[in-house]
Amino acid sequence: KNQVEQSPQSLIILEGKNCTLQCNYTVSPFSNLRWYKQDTGRGPVSLTIMTFSENTKSNGRYTATLDADTKQSSLHITASQLSDSASYICVVSVRFGTASKLTFGTGTRLQVTL
Amino acid sequence: DGGITQSPKYLFRKEGQNVTLSCEQNLNHDAMYWYRQDPGQGLRLIYYSQIVNDFQKGDIAEGYSVSREKKESFPLTVTSAQKNPTAFYLCASSSEDRELRGYTFGSGTRLTVV
Repeated sequence: KNQVEQSPQSLIILEGKNCTLQCNYTVSPFSNLRWYKQDTGRGPVSLTIMTFSENTKSNGRYTATLDADTKQSSLHITASQLSDSASYICVVSVRFGTASKLTFGTGTRLQVTL
Repeated sequence: DGGITQSPKYLFRKEGQNVTLSCEQNLNHDAMYWYRQDPGQGLRLIYYSQIVNDFQKGDIAEGYSVSREKKESFPLTVTSAQKNPTAFYLCASSSEDRELRGYTFGSGTRLTVV
């Protein structure tokens, strides 16, 4: 069972609308949580990275929130654009001494339409 | 500009063949990683290397091999022992303080068995 669950699996919204993507995780001990954007056939690109002590971080129209107590994160996209159409992947990092391991969610596929 | 270059973008393999995927980075990152991405699944770690001439197995290393003779290069060989090699392969790199800076991904190689 994947320890990083994302919802919804896919989402279609109209251009200009806002949307929120969810990520619940069970991995521990938690080190940090990342959101990536992946265009079809391309590598993921980092949007935000948050440690357990941060509860919100913004990158332009993207705002990520983190509740380390409930082990939930969300990615809010404001005023969506056609170029936001992509998969959004939640990634949780677990620290083992000097090493770390990333656990990836399966992603939410977002389509922005006219 | 610094970055990670993966080649080729598309690769076709016949049954029983070994193929090698290239990954080169000029970011001066110490650590490099290979992930496999399948539809509906999160990225899974194949191999990683934290330093030249050293590498470690990830979660799904069977049927794969790597080398790290130079800091900039981390090629992945998909051997004939890998029974289901058709997938999207992503190479990534990170600096020593990757917990804060995150990972940089390449653009990926799509491997298809014919």
